[in-house]
Amino acid sequence: SAVISQKPSRDICQRGTSLTIQCQVDSQVTMMFWYRQQPGQSLTLIATANQGSEATYESGFVIDKFPISRPNLTFSTLTVSNMSPEDSSIYLCSARPLDNTGELFFGEGSRLTVL
Amino acid sequence: EDQVTQSPEALRLQEGESSSLNCSYTVSGLRGLFWYRQDPGKGPEFLFTLYSAGEEKEKERLKATLTKKESFLHITAPKPEDSATYLCALPSGNTPLVFGKGTRLSVIA
Repeated sequence: SAVISQKPSRDICQRGTSLTIQCQVDSQVTMMFWYRQQPGQSLTLIATANQGSEATYESGFVIDKFPISRPNLTFSTLTVSNMSPEDSSIYLCSARPLDNTGELFFGEGSRLTVL
Repeated sequence: EDQVTQSPEALRLQEGESSSLNCSYTVSGLRGLFWYRQDPGKGPEFLFTLYSAGEEKEKERLKATLTKKESFLHITAPKPEDSATYLCALPSGNTPLVFGKGTRLSVIA
């Protein structure tokens, strides 16, 4: 298994500002992903964080709004840009371990509230 | 389109009252059915993976089973510490895991 640390764990942000969430994994993993969990909703994949190249975004998510970096195998960042109240959500970093059996491990999440 | 539907949305049990949670799915080519537990304010915690119909896996008071159309998470003699949201998920296309909305379980002492 992998231990995934995210920060901040929560934040309250003003409309129009941007916030960067950091994700650190304690061991090498094959792939890293970012999910969003809106209140009362399921987890939705935002993008796959690719090491050393541009992230792969799901339909409905764009790089200008959610820029992602992954400079090495164990670290990634997600920025939520120009925030609006609709961006209030839990953002979850996840990773697939090297044995690649399919399951994902998740961080504790970053709960953002946009006023 | 691949789909995952969980029922019920919420379930309230007395301590010791066994029950089952349902996860119905449609997918072209099952590559695993995954169960997670999520506590409030925390990320999902992996529980089980099932790969083929008839497969069963157990962990403490939990047992997961799989058919060609659905999976069940059976909870035997639950305790208050089993209270959580239980999520099922499966790979779909290039998406690593597509999640259901979950079942919110409350076990009352």
